Amino acid sequence: DTAVSQTPKYLVTQMGNDKSIKCEQNLGHDTMYWYKQDSKKFLKIMFSYNNKELIINETVPNRFSPKSPDKAHLNLHINSLELGDSAVYFCASSPTGTREETQYFGPGTRLLVL
Amino acid sequence: DQQVKQNSPSLSVQEGRISILNCDYTNSMFDYFLWYKKYPAEGPTFLISISSIKDKNEDGRFTVFLNKSAKHLSLHIVPSQPGDSAVYFCAASLSGAGSYQLTFGKGTKLSVIP
Repeated sequence: DTAVSQTPKYLVTQMGNDKSIKCEQNLGHDTMYWYKQDSKKFLKIMFSYNNKELIINETVPNRFSPKSPDKAHLNLHINSLELGDSAVYFCASSPTGTREETQYFGPGTRLLVL
Repeated sequence: DQQVKQNSPSLSVQEGRISILNCDYTNSMFDYFLWYKKYPAEGPTFLISISSIKDKNEDGRFTVFLNKSAKHLSLHIVPSQPGDSAVYFCAASLSGAGSYQLTFGKGTKLSVIP
């Protein structure tokens, strides 16, 4: 019974390609997030969606586009992949998005751009 | 610009002893703090949190201490167990718009030696 799942777990691709990472949560949460953990190990928020609406969009290149078909899913599409996009991407969710709520993280997707 | 700093990348402790993980922050507007624990190949999991109106919060073997004047918090684990071996992330948030946005430190890898 995986609460927050991500596919794929590993993704190796060439520069310039377009790829998508999928995230699904079965917790009934209203808010979902995408984080990036770079080579320096910092976990940084990229996007947050609440009930299918974007509420955070950090300074992320517009090659990154989140898509939320319903509140249980928040997919991340990346166009024209660059070497610097290599990182671990974590999806997370929380009930309504308040800070007192625990954020539940997925297992991560390890992206390597060659 | 690291607003949340975990200056010790790693820590080794004998089983049964106390583990103390430290975290410093620079943004005095942060008023809610969390600790997450991460095992390899998994996403972070919530451990314990503390609001700035408190200076201590305890949950079983885990206690978080907050020193607002020093902008410092620490996580105490006692007694430490081998299963506590993981990377521990400190995170902070501020009130108001974007309050669900967490700023993470780089993590401290704890190794508990049997």
